[in-house]
Amino acid sequence: GEDVEQSLFLSVREGDSSVINCTYTDSSSTYLYWYKQEPGAGLQLLTYIFSNMDMKQDQRLTVLLNKKDKHLSLRIADTQTGDSAIYFCAESMDTGGFKTIFGAGTRLFVKA
Amino acid sequence: KAGVTQTPRYLIKTRGQQVTLSCSPISGHRSVSWYQQTPGQGLQFLFEYFSETQRNKGNFPGRFSGRQFSNSRSEMNVSTLELGDSALYLCASSPRGVTTDTQYFGPGTRLTVL
Repeated sequence: GEDVEQSLFLSVREGDSSVINCTYTDSSSTYLYWYKQEPGAGLQLLTYIFSNMDMKQDQRLTVLLNKKDKHLSLRIADTQTGDSAIYFCAESMDTGGFKTIFGAGTRLFVKA
Repeated sequence: KAGVTQTPRYLIKTRGQQVTLSCSPISGHRSVSWYQQTPGQGLQFLFEYFSETQRNKGNFPGRFSGRQFSNSRSEMNVSTLELGDSALYLCASSPRGVTTDTQYFGPGTRLTVL
């Protein structure tokens, strides 16, 4: 089946690291993504990882993938108040056409 | 390059009416996907179009339909609106609609059904 799960809320202090976790069920996923949505805005692609990779680092963002456990995480180093947003984990698959399944989103609160 | 544009941005309808939403993809992008975002259900995949053909469809009733034109612009239509159709409808475009593509999202159309 196709399902992506993530915790709904995370609260951190400014300057700390944030870790947002996600689990997915479809082993045929080829790419896994992290999107950010700020209030009143559409989704912005933050980063993605190919399913045969374990880790990807992009400035303050580190993505870890445990394919055996179907677990994906996003670590944001030195979290800032501007990072407050909803973060969506997503998996994509080619099923005779493009399809992306999103998690429910994790709302990140950053306290000054 | 201009981003993905969606019109209208806000819409208020009453139950039983129908509505048409429009999405203009980034120039050169041939794949357009539609999603429904609600607080309770999160982001749910509606359908994906490529070269005027619907290639993939999510689990939505037949009241939800769409089409894509030769210029890749896409419309989605919802007939016989229900209160539960109130949501943010997002469209996303990508060059070829394959997993190696990056999807770019529009700002969404917020539909309120009274």
